[in-house]
Amino acid sequence: SQTIHQWPATLVQPVGSPLSLECTVEGTSNPNLYWYRQAAGRGLQLLFYSVGIGQISSEVPQNLSASRPQDRQFILSSKKLLLSDSGFYLCAWSVGGHLLQGYTFGSGTRLTVV
Amino acid sequence: AQSVTQLGSHVSVSEGALVLLRCNYSSSVPPYLFWYVQYPNQGLQLLLKYTSAATLVKGINGFEAEFKKSETSFHLTKPSAHMSDAAEYFCAVRIPSNTGKLIFGQGTTLQVKP
Repeated sequence: SQTIHQWPATLVQPVGSPLSLECTVEGTSNPNLYWYRQAAGRGLQLLFYSVGIGQISSEVPQNLSASRPQDRQFILSSKKLLLSDSGFYLCAWSVGGHLLQGYTFGSGTRLTVV
Repeated sequence: AQSVTQLGSHVSVSEGALVLLRCNYSSSVPPYLFWYVQYPNQGLQLLLKYTSAATLVKGINGFEAEFKKSETSFHLTKPSAHMSDAAEYFCAVRIPSNTGKLIFGQGTTLQVKP
């Protein structure tokens, strides 16, 4: 069966420090991968999506970047965190081209920038 | 462009009462619609999905939703609320493309009072 792992679960980082959040998927090949951010009272904002290794699309300009070094690995990074980067980050995957399926989400990372 | 509007950011019901969470969509093509639930500090879990097979869709935990094309709505209901239903609920519409991006509404927080 397919599973998605996201870590760490919580993270407190000082302003200006780097960030690396990792997401891995098991039990499937060539998934579409997504990074969402959920800020208080602002719903879910799609940050990045990827349809294949090395293929990254950015939805909004920001202080973050994403990479997909392997088929089932998706990494969210920042060189210097801002206070506004605080939020709940969710990774998700779906089967490419299968519109009838929804997403499967990871358990999320609570990031607090202090 | 496709979009989703959830009417009411907070809904409060008594235990045993009817739950109604409203969702309206905008789409130029037949949509795929989804409802997700999020418990505190967790990822999103799929409740149910509409994929044009039937207008009344039954999901997990006793929830159901009815697709009404004439009203462009996909409201979520449950006949009798349980304390464990307290969570945040998201309606989403899927873009028919290779990326399969889901567009989420702003979410509705359901409070269940004893």
